[in-house]
Amino acid sequence: AQSVTQLGSHVSVSEGALVLLRCNYSSSVPPYLFWYVQYPNQGLQLLLKYTTGATLVKGINGFEAEFKKSETSFHLTKPSAHMSDAAEYFCAVSPRTGNQFYFGTGTSLTVIP
Amino acid sequence: EPEVTQTPSHQVTQMGQEVILRCVPISNHLYFYWYRQILGQKVEFLVSFYNNEISEKSEIFDDQFSVERPDGSNFTLKIRSTKLEDSAMYFCASSALAGLDEQFFGPGTRLTVL
Repeated sequence: AQSVTQLGSHVSVSEGALVLLRCNYSSSVPPYLFWYVQYPNQGLQLLLKYTTGATLVKGINGFEAEFKKSETSFHLTKPSAHMSDAAEYFCAVSPRTGNQFYFGTGTSLTVIP
Repeated sequence: EPEVTQTPSHQVTQMGQEVILRCVPISNHLYFYWYRQILGQKVEFLVSFYNNEISEKSEIFDDQFSVERPDGSNFTLKIRSTKLEDSAMYFCASSALAGLDEQFFGPGTRLTVL
C-alpha cells in the first residue's frame, strides 16, 4: 500500500529565506510523485511532478524537487520565499499501476515579512 | 485556460438527506475523480471513473455513495443519506490520462451535515 508522510504540518520562513518542505513515501516500487499547492478557497494546483528521467524537477513559481530513491523522498524547495508563496502544500503519489492519488496531510507555509 | 468547476461551493444539509455534488471536468479529459478532505485531515481518494464506469474506489466509497456522468459534461457525486461524518470538502478532478498524468482539481464543495 502507498503512503505519504509530510514532516511538519506548519512551516514558517522569512521572506527571502530558503523554503524546504519534506515529503517521504512508502512504496515497494517508486511511484509517480507530485506536489500540489492550495491557496485559500481554491482547488489544488500542480506545482511539479516526477515520472521518469532527471531526478531534479523544476516547477512553477521557482519551486523544484528532487527524487531520491535511496531516501524515498521528494522534498520541495525554493531558494527564496515570497509572500505569495503562503499556502498549503500537498505531496502526492500515484502508483505506476492504477490511477488514484495518495496525498500527504499537507504543510501550511507561512512567509514572514 | 480550461479548468474544473464545481457547484455548489457550499452545501448545508440535514443528516439523512440526499445530496448531489456537481462537477464539470475539463472537456477533453477521460478520467474523473472524487476526493474528500475532512477538516484538518489529508485529502482522501474516493473514486475514479472512466468510460462510464467506476475504475477504482476506496473503502470510504460505500453503498451510500454513487457517481454518474449524466451527460457529456457533468460528473456527479451523490450521497444517499448523509451522516455527520460526511462533512468535508469534496474535490472533483479530471485527467487526460491515468497514472502519471496530472490531475486537475476543482475548487471544491464544502459539505456541512447538521
